[in-house]
Amino acid sequence: NAGVTQTPKFRVLKTGQSMTLLCAQDMNHEYMYWYRQDPGMGLRLIHYSVGEGTTAKGEVPDGYNVSRLKKQNFLLGLESAAPSQTSVYFCASSWVLGNTGELFFGEGSRLTVL
Amino acid sequence: GENVEQHPSTLSVQEGDSAVIKCTYSDSASNYFPWYKQELGKGPQLIIDIRSNVGEKKDQRIAVTLNKTAKHFSLHITETQPEDSAVYFCEPNAGGTSYGKLTFGQGTILTVHP
Repeated sequence: NAGVTQTPKFRVLKTGQSMTLLCAQDMNHEYMYWYRQDPGMGLRLIHYSVGEGTTAKGEVPDGYNVSRLKKQNFLLGLESAAPSQTSVYFCASSWVLGNTGELFFGEGSRLTVL
Repeated sequence: GENVEQHPSTLSVQEGDSAVIKCTYSDSASNYFPWYKQELGKGPQLIIDIRSNVGEKKDQRIAVTLNKTAKHFSLHITETQPEDSAVYFCEPNAGGTSYGKLTFGQGTILTVHP
């Protein structure tokens, strides 16, 4: 089983450029999440979705937008990249939170903004 | 939201020793207490979890203990092996009421020396 797949795995951007990270899951999960991971900061929630067509802000949403047009996909967009957005981004999915709460993560996307 | 503190931030042990990582949380509504292991270059993966109606759970060399009164839970690894070297995260949450409040600890870097 593929589980959670993120593309691309690596990307280098110049300040001001835009890009989209794609997350796909094949487990029919309702919930999907985007996190960023920075040294010493752990995992911080950017945006999340509780179902197809819905999105909501997490802890650090500024500078990012998301869309969940299909249940299996969750896109993270950067409209105008900034060096502060250099990070490793993880997508995760789970069953409805009232169930187990276990998160299934992708392998990460390393983004560098010059 | 949930305030989560994880200690220690780094832990170095000799192979065969035991390792203990503690996670303290603030939200008394938390009822699901997982531990995730993140190996280098990969996404976090659930290794053990416990629910609020259980005080201790064991799975081979790893165990989790919960003290709901004091609002902390701990990961115990016995007979450590080099492959246990990784970053460990706790993520206490209140299941269906958590939504965007999912909060991870800052992580503990465990190094097991052969």
